[in-house]
Amino acid sequence: EADIYQTPRYLVIGTGKKITLECSQTMGHDKMYWYQQDPGMELHLIHYSYGVNSTEKGDLSSESTVSRIRTEHFPLTLESARPSHTSQYLCASSTRGNTEAFFGQGTRLTVV
Amino acid sequence: GESVGLHLPTLSVQEGDNSIINCAYSNSASDYFIWYKQESGKGPQFIIDIRSNMDKRQGQRVTVLLNKTVKHLSLQIAATQPGDSAVYFCAENMSGSSYKLIFGSGTRLLVRP
Repeated sequence: EADIYQTPRYLVIGTGKKITLECSQTMGHDKMYWYQQDPGMELHLIHYSYGVNSTEKGDLSSESTVSRIRTEHFPLTLESARPSHTSQYLCASSTRGNTEAFFGQGTRLTVV
Repeated sequence: GESVGLHLPTLSVQEGDNSIINCAYSNSASDYFIWYKQESGKGPQFIIDIRSNMDKRQGQRVTVLLNKTVKHLSLQIAATQPGDSAVYFCAENMSGSSYKLIFGSGTRLLVRP
């Protein structure tokens, strides 16, 4: 089992609210990622990080933002949630020399 | 956001038979490939990987084949078991883009008892 944790597992929130999805890993991995996945669909990379104070946008445009102040922590924030943000958000991490990514359980977000 | 769109292609196999799941990748510059298994309600889990300097790699009950000429990847599962039922994704990493894995669209494997 990989040591990467996401909270909450499920979140239902009203439109306009600010939310932060938490992701932590205890493996000391430099690289971390956020993917968005709709039910029955593929994963789309929305953010990634090489290490502390490094963040980049992924291939799928997202209104979310991320920060990487500590190696182990890579939170994702939505300033104003909308129904179009309803999806599953998956966090992953990997070591610098290895592209294999370990995934968390995901956060299923529903915006009503 | 939520999308009522295409469903994943589904492969249905009899328990004990071999399964072959296929994937077409997009970028000829990709040099590293991974197969992931995703069970319902969970994140993807690593199964097996292969580098572009190889055309075959074997693991426990699984084999990955890479055909760079036609940009095709396959996952073979021997003696498929009910616990193999899941969605399977291939992912590619492009040379020079060492921090990004790009995922394919996935295949749902259903194992009939």
